[in-house]
Amino acid sequence: GAVVSQHPSWVICKSGTSVKIECRSLDFQATTMFWYRQFPKQSLMLMATSNEGSKATYEQGVEKDKFLINHASLTLSTLTVTSAHPEDSSFYICSAREGGLNKAFFGQGTRLTVV
Amino acid sequence: RKEVEQDPGPFNVPEGATVAFNCTYSNSASQSFFWYRQDCRKEPKLLMSVYSSGNEDGRFTAQLNRASQYISLLIRDSKLSDSATYLCVVNRVTDKLIFGTGTRLQVFP
Repeated sequence: GAVVSQHPSWVICKSGTSVKIECRSLDFQATTMFWYRQFPKQSLMLMATSNEGSKATYEQGVEKDKFLINHASLTLSTLTVTSAHPEDSSFYICSAREGGLNKAFFGQGTRLTVV
Repeated sequence: RKEVEQDPGPFNVPEGATVAFNCTYSNSASQSFFWYRQDCRKEPKLLMSVYSSGNEDGRFTAQLNRASQYISLLIRDSKLSDSATYLCVVNRVTDKLIFGTGTRLQVFP
């Protein structure tokens, strides 16, 4: 099956710093990637839809200036959490859809802890 | 009301048992349906798609009832390794995936 690689798998950062998370589709081209956040014992919540070559579409309540998304190529999308605060600590997961298939493949997730 | 609803469980069952999960969705425009499995602190992994005619993959059987807008997953002969959270997911074509909160399954010896 298609492989989506996410990096880093975990990161600890100080409050006020920025963290960049990468999501790569390894064996297919993904015009669309999705970024989710999952708090403990909760469901995955879609944060934004990343579109190659255009601006990301953010879900209601997600600050686009805080969560910067760049989808510069068909195989890479990045999520930057700017000026991170402890409440941003969460599990961030990306997914990508392969071509015309209606299935999503997930990255391994990034566990962010802001101290 | 959430767009996709699941009983969070946990469902605690002995090895060998049969267990069923249900999921309801509110948007009748939903066109694709999936069950994902998520282990603790891991990413979700696709378990199976759900088709209108129902489909089976080994010990797993998925069913879709469009009229009632619910999806089910049946696991037969439960194994310890089946312990996980099972996520019901719906999708409108070209639109985002909507996840249920998941149903936690714990299989004990």
